[in-house]
Amino acid sequence: NAGVMQNPRHLVRRRGQEARLRCSPVKGHSHVYWYRQLPEEGLKFMVYLQKENIIDESGMPKERFSAEFPKEGPSILRIQQVVRGDSAAYFCASSPPGGEKLFFGSGTQLSVL
Amino acid sequence: KQEVTQIPAALSVPEGENLVLNCSFTDSAIYNLQWFRQDPGKGLTSLLLIQSSQREQTSGRLNASLDKSSGRSTLYIAASQPGDSATYLCADRYGGATNKLIFGTGTLLAVQP
Repeated sequence: NAGVMQNPRHLVRRRGQEARLRCSPVKGHSHVYWYRQLPEEGLKFMVYLQKENIIDESGMPKERFSAEFPKEGPSILRIQQVVRGDSAAYFCASSPPGGEKLFFGSGTQLSVL
Repeated sequence: KQEVTQIPAALSVPEGENLVLNCSFTDSAIYNLQWFRQDPGKGLTSLLLIQSSQREQTSGRLNASLDKSSGRSTLYIAASQPGDSATYLCADRYGGATNKLIFGTGTLLAVQP
């Protein structure tokens, strides 16, 4: 029983490059959440997805950020033209339909040089 | 707007001591409240989840209470051990059907052997 798998664990990008963060939820979980933890700050909700649908993206910046959760394969959080302020730990969580407990991955630490 | 605050920000205790971590929230209209543990470089581990209709939950040496009317939750750790050293986060599920959590900034606990 694998938990939530995120890769890569660490990602280094230069300003202006693209960052792709992957999240494979717990087997059988169809709900995925992305959270961001900026240095010295708490975790902030970014986006909530179900298979092939974005349900709530109220926490995601309007520009440069996008997320998807296709019918097959992992959920992807994509950040275009990264800037230094994007440096943070990005956590993915999943839950089954109707489930209240979230299961978190180990996160991807993004560093923008 | 819901705000979640945790006090103290950091706590150091000798091994064997009982301790209490505090969490307060500004709007009592929550669905549930969860306590998580975060170890350095790792994801979050869910410790306890209290439904809005419940007053407390217990798991081993951990006991979490919820008082919606005062906007407070506490996490009680009995007979602390060095292995309990971590950051403890509270989060409430607030507003709407999505499992969007509002996190506090955490309490960094160090248990000295």
